[in-house]
Amino acid sequence: EVQLVESGGGLVQPGRSLRLSCTASGFTFGEYALTWVRQAPGKGLEWVGFIRSKAYGVTAEYAASVKGRFTMSRDDSKSIAYLQMNSLKTEDTALYYCTTSKEIVVVTRSDYWGQGTLVTVSS
Amino acid sequence: DIVMTQSPDSLAVSLGERATINCKSSQSVLHTSSNENYLAWYQQKPGQPPKLLINWASTRESGVPDRFSGSGSGTDFTLTISSLQAEDVAVYYCQQYYGIPPLFGGGTRVEIK
Repeated sequence: EVQLVESGGGLVQPGRSLRLSCTASGFTFGEYALTWVRQAPGKGLEWVGFIRSKAYGVTAEYAASVKGRFTMSRDDSKSIAYLQMNSLKTEDTALYYCTTSKEIVVVTRSDYWGQGTLVTVSS
Repeated sequence: DIVMTQSPDSLAVSLGERATINCKSSQSVLHTSSNENYLAWYQQKPGQPPKLLINWASTRESGVPDRFSGSGSGTDFTLTISSLQAEDVAVYYCQQYYGIPPLFGGGTRVEIK
């Protein structure tokens, strides 16, 4: 059974940093891309970005709203993906989901979802 | 960017009646070489993460009731719930995974009339 567990959320002041983790199990983590999706309170889904597998260069793509501030990485030996969030803004307040696809080559579809971790940016 | 527009924003349907949700993409999401539409539908119930219902525009995920169906091609897509059940109350999102960024539609809230 595929499981994705996010952690690291919390209350942080504007301008500060936070690192989220996504711990995966139930599949060969290193073969799949990992995607982050966020949802602001009471709002819709917003794609944040994804990181490709080693086979595709471990490169990442980001939404325009976070590019230059957020960085994705992964540790395949631990089956963990990370989302480093710098220069946080109040509009980054959201529930952050880690997702993955069941098809290796379909890197941007979110077949499996974690429960999410809440990030609140406020002074 | 390929922008996804859903309609309506919300709808109320009687139990056992049909619910229809529309999704329009600003560009075609049909991959001509594979003849597949890179379009997914998700269901999000209150307090839960989204769940993938349909991929490739019309392929139901394992375990999804057959009252859910997806149709359409190119830029216009529809999610139909043929006979609404109480457990179908949720927000439904479409998403294109043809291009980057793989944007979601704004969501459609389905309620019981």
